[in-house]
Amino acid sequence: EAQVTQNPRYLITVTGKKLTVTCSQNMNHEYMSWYRQDPGLGLRQIYYSMNVEVTDKGDVPEGYKVSRKEKRNFPLILESPSPNQTSLYFCASSLSKGNEQFFGPGTRLTVL
Amino acid sequence: QKEVEQNSGPLSVPEGAIASLNCTYSDRGSQSFFWYRQYSGKSPELIMSIYSNGDKEDGRFTAQLNKASQYVSLLIRDSQPSDSATYLCAVSLLGRGYSTLTFGKGTMLLVSP
Repeated sequence: EAQVTQNPRYLITVTGKKLTVTCSQNMNHEYMSWYRQDPGLGLRQIYYSMNVEVTDKGDVPEGYKVSRKEKRNFPLILESPSPNQTSLYFCASSLSKGNEQFFGPGTRLTVL
Repeated sequence: QKEVEQNSGPLSVPEGAIASLNCTYSDRGSQSFFWYRQYSGKSPELIMSIYSNGDKEDGRFTAQLNKASQYVSLLIRDSQPSDSATYLCAVSLLGRGYSTLTFGKGTMLLVSP
């Protein structure tokens, strides 16, 4: 089944404790992206990647890192999480830039 | 600053009616336009994509694009209670070496039986 998977789906952590949210797609998509969704602010793009080893900042990149060492994986790294990063995070992928993006199930992160 | 504007709603329509959802965008260079449906607590699900001016129909859904007016709309015919969700408009801006997708904040649609 073609899909985007994310892990974990739920995470509660404390300020400053490094964490990684994994994202994987099995559709051989070139383009992958991370978003956060907050009430009243909608979905905002954090980082995106147009291919292996090619990443770029979206609208809200502060406090996040990403890497794209393999085509299928695009992990999101929070090196020192803070409470303002409490949010619902979505990973998405598309065949190439500008095409329809397909979303993973989401990761609900709470930083205490 | 890229902006995508939607009326937050809720837009309430009776079952069987036509629901009309609207979206405007600020960047004239935008090239790809998408409508997503999102149920509460779930991930966005692609409904329609449109790339050129005019109408595009898929079942009960019709997307309309007017680049001159920087306007995208989604019509849902024969609305069903299961269509009750938040509808997100998304606009893609492409260039050499970059590609971003900007979402509106969404319009909540309520379809009453």
